[in-house]
Amino acid sequence: GAGVSQSPRYKVTKRGQDVTLRCDPISSHATLYWYQQALGQGPEFLTYFNYEAQPDKSGLPSDRFSAERPEGSISTLTIQRTEQRDSAMYRCASSLSRQETQYFGPGTRLLVL
Amino acid sequence: SQQGEEDPQALSIQEGENATMNCSYKTSINNLQWYRQNSGRGLVHLILIRSNEREKHSGRLRVTLDTSKKSSSLLITASRAADTASYFCATRRNNAGNMLTFGGGTRLMVKP
Repeated sequence: GAGVSQSPRYKVTKRGQDVTLRCDPISSHATLYWYQQALGQGPEFLTYFNYEAQPDKSGLPSDRFSAERPEGSISTLTIQRTEQRDSAMYRCASSLSRQETQYFGPGTRLLVL
Repeated sequence: SQQGEEDPQALSIQEGENATMNCSYKTSINNLQWYRQNSGRGLVHLILIRSNEREKHSGRLRVTLDTSKKSSSLLITASRAADTASYFCATRRNNAGNMLTFGGGTRLMVKP
């Protein structure tokens, strides 16, 4: 596609519910990243994929967070048993390869009530 | 935790003036990048400077990098109201995989 897209753009959920966020990277891009951005702060790395492999999960804050990219293109980020502190903007980015510039999507703003 | 710190946290200038934002970081890096974030929009990549470069230009943007001081600056010349945004520096560290580590950002307001 022309750019990175994410859905939904906004998600409101109740504490304890599971949510799944989707990222559709630029079609030729091998590498895909997930970041979490709290209000007024810069993004913080969660995890990344190189095609379908997930070499680095070091930024995932707890085992409630998981991500998949089964066919090496679209990725999902799932948060189980959401908590209020999970409220943030979740940003996806993709790059042609691991060495290249990362292009960000518009983000999904998650609000956990 | 965030690697970099931007300075100032907020900056307000008149259209036509120059804006300078600074970024400091803590560990050795492979490259440093600057991004812009408009209200309600995604992060837009502005410029990348590698660790062996000292200065880079792109249009009205000028970036410098001083690896001895672990700092970078972003200069926007002849600012426009449309430059109003948050600006983030992000570092790609050596031996730290592919993640970018972002600072807290500088919120720039350009008054018409």
